[in-house]
Amino acid sequence: DAGVTQSPTHLIKTRGQQVTLRCSPKSGHDTVSWYQQALGQGPQFIFQYYEEEERQRGNFPDRFSGHQFPNYSSELNVNALLLGDSALYLCASTRGWGTEAFFGQGTRLTVV
Amino acid sequence: TQLLEQSPQFLSIQEGENLTVYCNSSSVFSSLQWYRQEPGEGPVLLVTVVTGGEVKKLKRLTFQFGDARKDSSLHITAAQTGDTGLYLCAGDPLGGNEKLTFGTGTRLTIIP
Repeated sequence: DAGVTQSPTHLIKTRGQQVTLRCSPKSGHDTVSWYQQALGQGPQFIFQYYEEEERQRGNFPDRFSGHQFPNYSSELNVNALLLGDSALYLCASTRGWGTEAFFGQGTRLTVV
Repeated sequence: TQLLEQSPQFLSIQEGENLTVYCNSSSVFSSLQWYRQEPGEGPVLLVTVVTGGEVKKLKRLTFQFGDARKDSSLHITAAQTGDTGLYLCAGDPLGGNEKLTFGTGTRLTIIP
């Protein structure tokens, strides 16, 4: 049973560029949440997708957008990258309204 | 905004010693989870506590949820080098919106 998988594992982008990160949830899970974890900090909630719609959003600018596909996989898009967007981006999946979240290994984004 | 503060932020002890880390908030949570995160990896769920006053044991780890569901503690008995990692608490806010609020983390180092 595959857990949550994220791709790519590492990424280097230039300031001003756009990036797309991908996540496949754990088998049987239909809800995907995205978190940003800066170095030395706890994860910060970006948004959550359920039934292909954004259900909740954290305190992140509109440069951060997402999408969920019919197979429950999800993408996180960040436009106009800033140096401060450098972080580990984590995807977590849950089953419906359950909150026992399973996390992927993350994508380490470095903006230069 | 619901905040979870963890203490201590850093802890370094000898193998075999006991330790306790704390997770405190002024807000009530419907449930609280503890995760351990290794460098470059996503958080791994250790336990979920739901009922005020609940105590759960996972081998040498003992987790307690405060009576008022605002705080929690993690006690490790006879620490081992394999316990080294970042320990994160995360709360599910009352109201069932499933957005996890993470604590600031405790970085634990067990010295052989």
